[in-house]
Amino acid sequence: DAGVIQSPRHEVTEMGQEVTLRCKPISGHDYLFWYRQTMMRGLELLIYFNNNVPIDDSGMPEDRFSAKMPNASFSTLKIQPSEPRDSAVYFCASSFRSGSAGYTFGSGTRLTVV
Amino acid sequence: GESVGLHLPTLSVQEGDNSIINCAYSNSASDYFIWYKQESGKGPQFIIDIRSNMDKRQGQRVTVLLNKTVKHLSLQIAATQPGDSAVYFCAEELTGGGNKLTFGTGTQLKVEL
Repeated sequence: DAGVIQSPRHEVTEMGQEVTLRCKPISGHDYLFWYRQTMMRGLELLIYFNNNVPIDDSGMPEDRFSAKMPNASFSTLKIQPSEPRDSAVYFCASSFRSGSAGYTFGSGTRLTVV
Repeated sequence: GESVGLHLPTLSVQEGDNSIINCAYSNSASDYFIWYKQESGKGPQFIIDIRSNMDKRQGQRVTVLLNKTVKHLSLQIAATQPGDSAVYFCAEELTGGGNKLTFGTGTQLKVEL
């Protein structure tokens, strides 16, 4: 398996533009997580899915953020409109059932909003 | 993908020495703990885990110790190598937490030659 695949690796956009981040989890994993990492706040859980259903979105900063998982092999995190304070590295991770040996993270998307 | 914060604790060790990285977790109801390693430009990578019914678990060159009384977790790395230089995070999962992990702030390990 190629692991968790995220795209793009880097994204630079202007304030007010829509940004879509993409994730392909490991085949067979039934949990998918979106994290945001910044120098000030570390790793923050934004939202996670189980069997394509959103379970906890309490970490989503505000209505500008939305996430979908239309099928078991694809998820998106969308920011509309983007703001400079959204600049961060966004990680997707997947895992197999509750309590299993941790998550497998993707390489992340570095988002810069100017 | 750098995760280093401006005020990350830093541990500097000489190559070949043993490293001990500490973590205080917050919730006494947590029953599963994991250590992750994050190298510059990469996502966190699983190192070793431990459940709350254990005090110690060993892997290859790494050992995790759990002290539930004081809610403390440590990662010991034997014979530290330059490739061990990274940021290390502990993470905890609550009992019945639905596979949701909460991460600590991280410790930067620097291995000096």
